[in-house]
Amino acid sequence: QKEVEQNSGPLSVPEGAIASLNCTYSDRGSQSFFWYRQYSGKSPELIMSIYSNGDKEDGRFTAQLNKASQYVSLLIRDSQPSDSATYLCAVKGRSAGNMLTFGGGTRLMVKP
Amino acid sequence: DGGITQSPKYLFRKEGQNVTLSCEQNLNHDAMYWYRQDPGQGLRLIYYSQIVNDFQKGDIAEGYSVSREKKESFPLTVTSAQKNPTAFYLCASSILANSNQPQHFGDGTRLSIL
Repeated sequence: QKEVEQNSGPLSVPEGAIASLNCTYSDRGSQSFFWYRQYSGKSPELIMSIYSNGDKEDGRFTAQLNKASQYVSLLIRDSQPSDSATYLCAVKGRSAGNMLTFGGGTRLMVKP
Repeated sequence: DGGITQSPKYLFRKEGQNVTLSCEQNLNHDAMYWYRQDPGQGLRLIYYSQIVNDFQKGDIAEGYSVSREKKESFPLTVTSAQKNPTAFYLCASSILANSNQPQHFGDGTRLSIL
């Protein structure tokens, strides 16, 4: 079983819709959770961090964390074609010296 | 500008050759990391360093070597022992390894076999 799992997609949404990206993780002691956006051929860019249960909003982005269910999600409101990218979920757990473990990423396509 | 600089952007390796990828940061971060990304895949940790003159193997260290002689620099050598080196290599840094602070990435080096 992978430590951090994401649906690889592609997830296709129309422009203006809400895109919902999901991530599950296996290490119950995980403390920090991050979402990175990666455009094709480019390096990952941090877009959200979340550390406690609940929602965290930043502009059009909302991260949601549920530690009991070992689940973290990213909502993108009013999706734009420029949001089309791969979104990587990263989890910092207790194992492996508190290193980040990345999911395989979900490819999002926003259609005009 | 503060940031992480990786060079070169593209690199080609001949069979039997060692190649070194450069990573420099001027963010005064303590921790630095090397990841490998294969097409359509997530990131896998090769090596990391929490302080100068110390580094640890990640999940896929075989065929790679690193050094951390200066806080700002964490070069990665892809040795001839790495039989499948073609990938996108990403260097990252963070304020401290054992903290909640995120990692930030350089622009990456794309390595191919000639």
